[in-house]
Amino acid sequence: NAGVTQTPKFQVLKTGQSMTLQCAQDMNHEYMSWYRQDPGMGLRLIHYSVGAGITDQGEVPNGYNVSRSTTEDFPLRLLSAAPSQTSVYFCASSYRGLGVRQFFGPGTRLTVL
Amino acid sequence: DAKTTQPNSMESNEEEPVHLPCNHSTISGTDYIHWYRQLPSQGPEYVIHGLTSNVNNRMASLAIAEDRKSSTLILHRATLRDAAVYYCILRRGSWGKLQFGAGTQVVVTP
Repeated sequence: NAGVTQTPKFQVLKTGQSMTLQCAQDMNHEYMSWYRQDPGMGLRLIHYSVGAGITDQGEVPNGYNVSRSTTEDFPLRLLSAAPSQTSVYFCASSYRGLGVRQFFGPGTRLTVL
Repeated sequence: DAKTTQPNSMESNEEEPVHLPCNHSTISGTDYIHWYRQLPSQGPEYVIHGLTSNVNNRMASLAIAEDRKSSTLILHRATLRDAAVYYCILRRGSWGKLQFGAGTQVVVTP
């Protein structure tokens, strides 16, 4: 199993550009989520999904969109990037509830100029 | 949501035990205590979790106070690879989200 994979590893955007961060898992997990981590801080939940076709907002959803068309994939879209979105983004998945043991991807480091 | 309080950092010598405290005085009866760790430049990694009883696994032990207002993660023999930020997190019931705080930076000295 590859576990949770994320692409790209690094990305630099200009203010106003859009992009999609990719996340995939091969463990047949129902639950997937996106977090952001700012320097010196813990992770904050952006959006999560409890299954294909079902998504919900987390703690900091503004400026981000998600969709879940398959069990395996959960992309995160930045509609119009802002410098405040400079962060490291982690995707995670788990079998049951959001709080059950989660498996995290390696992260995407995003810089918005 | 109930919050946790952890020291900012702790130091340990290699091959010695490390006891990481966590206070959660407002914990409710359905809150599970989870520990994750994050090695440099990596995503968080699950360590252990428990509800009321002490728990052991291959990575660590979790000691939970009788009143559940505090807990301690025990790394039995620290290695250099254990240098990481350790997060103590409360999860509400079966479906609660994980809320990460700033965690404890563990430094292991050879």
